[in-house]
Amino acid sequence: AAGVIQSPRHLIKEKRETATLKCYPIPRHDTVYWYQQGPGQDPQFLISFYEKMQSDKGSIPDRFSAQQFSDYHSELNMSSLELGDSALYFCASSPGTLYNEQFFGPGTRLTVL
Amino acid sequence: KQEVTQIPAALSVPEGENLVLNCSFTDSAIYNLQWFRQDPGKGLTSLLLIQSSQREQTSGRLNASLDKSSGRSTLYIAASQPGDSATYLCAAQYGNKLVFGAGTILRVKS
Repeated sequence: AAGVIQSPRHLIKEKRETATLKCYPIPRHDTVYWYQQGPGQDPQFLISFYEKMQSDKGSIPDRFSAQQFSDYHSELNMSSLELGDSALYFCASSPGTLYNEQFFGPGTRLTVL
Repeated sequence: KQEVTQIPAALSVPEGENLVLNCSFTDSAIYNLQWFRQDPGKGLTSLLLIQSSQREQTSGRLNASLDKSSGRSTLYIAASQPGDSATYLCAAQYGNKLVFGAGTILRVKS
């Protein structure tokens, strides 16, 4: 069965650089979620999109922005990177929202030097 | 504030034991309760999802229960195996977001 695809899987950036993470949801899933998992921490919700519109927002820094495109893939744009942004970034997708199971991708490991 | 707590933080058991992982949540207005498995440095694998109207779900050797009124869920693993060693996370869904617990690190010794 098709799963959530994230690219790149690993990314190394310098402080103050920008990064773009991509997420391709499971086919026919119209909802995408982004989570950040710092070292030794539990995943924290960043933002979600339903039918290309932002549906919920969590603890996402103002330096980050995201959008969902017409083919339902999503991109998380991160600017002015800080050392503390080093984390595993997960994307999840679901068919619809609320009562539906979220299926997670393998994550993108971002390292900021 | 919506918080999820998992007990114990770590657990080490011999192979073959039945075990229970506990999860509690402060806000009972959840949509779903989802249990995940995470191997070191890897992604999240969904194990079971219990909708707020349900009391339990079963998949193979796993059984998860939900008591929404008391804000508790348990994951029962029968006949544990070394391959079950991983971190187990529970997550309560509020609106569109999942709020995760810190996880239980499970080690099953052969």
